[in-house]
Amino acid sequence: EAQVTQNPRYLITVTGKKLTVTCSQNMNHEYMSWYRQDPGLGLRQIYYSMNVEVTDKGDVPEGYKVSRKEKRNFPLILESPSPNQTSLYFCASSFGRNFNEQFFGPGTRLTVL
Amino acid sequence: RKEVEQDPGPFNVPEGATVAFNCTYSNSASQSFFWYRQDCRKEPKLLMSVYSSGNEDGRFTAQLNRASQYISLLIRDSKLSDSATYLCVVNEGSGGYQKVTFGTGTKLQVIP
Repeated sequence: EAQVTQNPRYLITVTGKKLTVTCSQNMNHEYMSWYRQDPGLGLRQIYYSMNVEVTDKGDVPEGYKVSRKEKRNFPLILESPSPNQTSLYFCASSFGRNFNEQFFGPGTRLTVL
Repeated sequence: RKEVEQDPGPFNVPEGATVAFNCTYSNSASQSFFWYRQDCRKEPKLLMSVYSSGNEDGRFTAQLNRASQYISLLIRDSKLSDSATYLCVVNEGSGGYQKVTFGTGTKLQVIP
């Protein structure tokens, strides 16, 4: 089954404790993105990647890191989480250069205390 | 002005009604446009792409007006299962640069 998976689905952590949210897709998509969704603000792009070892900042990259060592995986790293990073995070992937249909993972609900 | 703007609603409509949403965008260089549907606390899923010539998929019709910089979504014969938030998505850029902007969504509640 074609899908995007994210882990963990739910996470409660404390300020400053490094964490990684994994994202994996099995559709051989070139493009992958991370978004956060907050009430009243909609989905905002954090980082995106156009291919292996090619990543770029989205609209809200501060406090986040990503890597793309393999085509299928695009982990999101929070080196020192803060309460303002409490949010619902979505990973997405798409095929081709023109951001065709994006397939989203199920989301990760992160709470930073 | 927000880059992509939608009326948040909620739009409360009876079953069988026709409802229309608009979405305005600020960048005239925007290249591709989409409507996504998001159920509560779930991931967004593509509903339809929006083409310059307009497109229709069953009860759903999407249109693009480049001169006025808005896209629209029309839902005919609303079903209870259409209740969701509808997200407008605008893609700018080409080649190595891709910027995707989501609207904040319009909430639709179809009432029995």
